[in-house]
Order: sequence, then C-alpha cells, then structure tokens
Amino acid sequence: EPEVTQTPSHQVTQMGQEVILRCVPISNHLYFYWYRQILGQKVEFLVSFYNNEISEKSEIFDDQFSVERPDGSNFTLKIRSTKLEDSAMYFCASSARMGITDTQYFGPGTRLTVL
Amino acid sequence: DQQVKQNSPSLSVQEGRISILNCDYTNSMFDYFLWYKKYPAEGPTFLISISSIKDKNEDGRFTVFLNKSAKHLSLHIVPSQPGDSAVYFCAARGGGSYIPTFGRGTSLIVHP
Repeated sequence: EPEVTQTPSHQVTQMGQEVILRCVPISNHLYFYWYRQILGQKVEFLVSFYNNEISEKSEIFDDQFSVERPDGSNFTLKIRSTKLEDSAMYFCASSARMGITDTQYFGPGTRLTVL
Repeated sequence: DQQVKQNSPSLSVQEGRISILNCDYTNSMFDYFLWYKKYPAEGPTFLISISSIKDKNEDGRFTVFLNKSAKHLSLHIVPSQPGDSAVYFCAARGGGSYIPTFGRGTSLIVHP
C-alpha cells in the first residue's frame, strides 16, 4: 500500500540553525500539507501546497517557514532560524484531491528538537 | 481557542467491551467530521468520518454518532480489542476550508 514517508525521523538542532524536513508524498497525489504537534498539544495545520504554490497557510507559518517541491517526488519544509518553541513533531500529508470528503494520508513524522 | 475539544485525555477499557470516545466542537460552520487513529512512531491514520447531513456512520466495529444540536460527536468501538490501543483524534472541517481542525486526542488503552 502506498504511503507517505518522511526523513529524518528525528532531527536535533541548535537554536538559530536552519533545518529542512523532507517528505515523499504518495506518488499520484497532488495536494501536500505540513502539520505539527507540540508535545501534549493538538495537531496544528501549517500549510497546504498545490500546483507549486501555497494554497492555504496558518498564522503559525510565518516568514521563518518555507515549503518547496524541488523535484517530482520530494516536498520539503524549511525552518530558516529555529527557535526553542519550534520543537515538535512535524507531519507531512498528501491527498489526491482537496474536497470536503477527501482523505489526507499522513507520514510517520519527524521529531524536531531545538536546543 | 479550542474549536474541537476532546475532554478526556485517556480512556481505559476491558477487551470485548465498548469504547466510547467523545468530541465536542464550537464552530457551527463545521460540516464534516473525522476520526484519526495514531500509534506511537506513526502518523495519524484516517479511521471513519461523518457528514453533517447524517447522524450515524458505521464501519465494522467502528460507529460515529453526530448530534448537531449539541455540537457533539462520539466514536464507538465494539468490541474493543487490544490492537485498538492508540491515540484517537477527532477532527472537523467546514466553513469553506478543507483543512481539518484537530482535537488534542484521547489515549485509549484496551486491556486483555
């Protein structure tokens, strides 16, 4: 069964450093998403991406964040200058369509620890 | 601002019994509701959903009930199995956005 994959599974970085989290969505999916979950909190939407453009973003997704689809398979989230509060589990997701009933498939997540 | 609330952080149930997980929402624009299951070291997996035009949706051992007037939904698992032990997230969509708003999750433990 096709699945979303994410690398690395755990990333440790120093405050102020740049990190890039990588995702390989399901191959025939067209819509891509990043979410995060701070420990003990709810899963929060960051950004959605379609046709090489951001289609929706939350207030969390500020200028420190960017997304890119550098080739036909990868989808990346870059955090330019990490802060302690960026420590969280980051989930990538993809869907074939974006409709009210369409299912998003999530990857296993990358645990980001900012020291 | 918790638009989707899961007030029970954990639930413990005996194998074979019914598990009932509850979820409340505040945004009346929500019109589609989902439940996700999450095992440790994995991402959330879609489990079951319900549209606001229905009050019940059933899929095998899993049934979701929606009470729109109370802005409340529940997930029933019958019979519960040890493999159902996971964190269950309630999520809701609507108001012109296809992006789900998640609750904080309820950790279900099913004892053999």
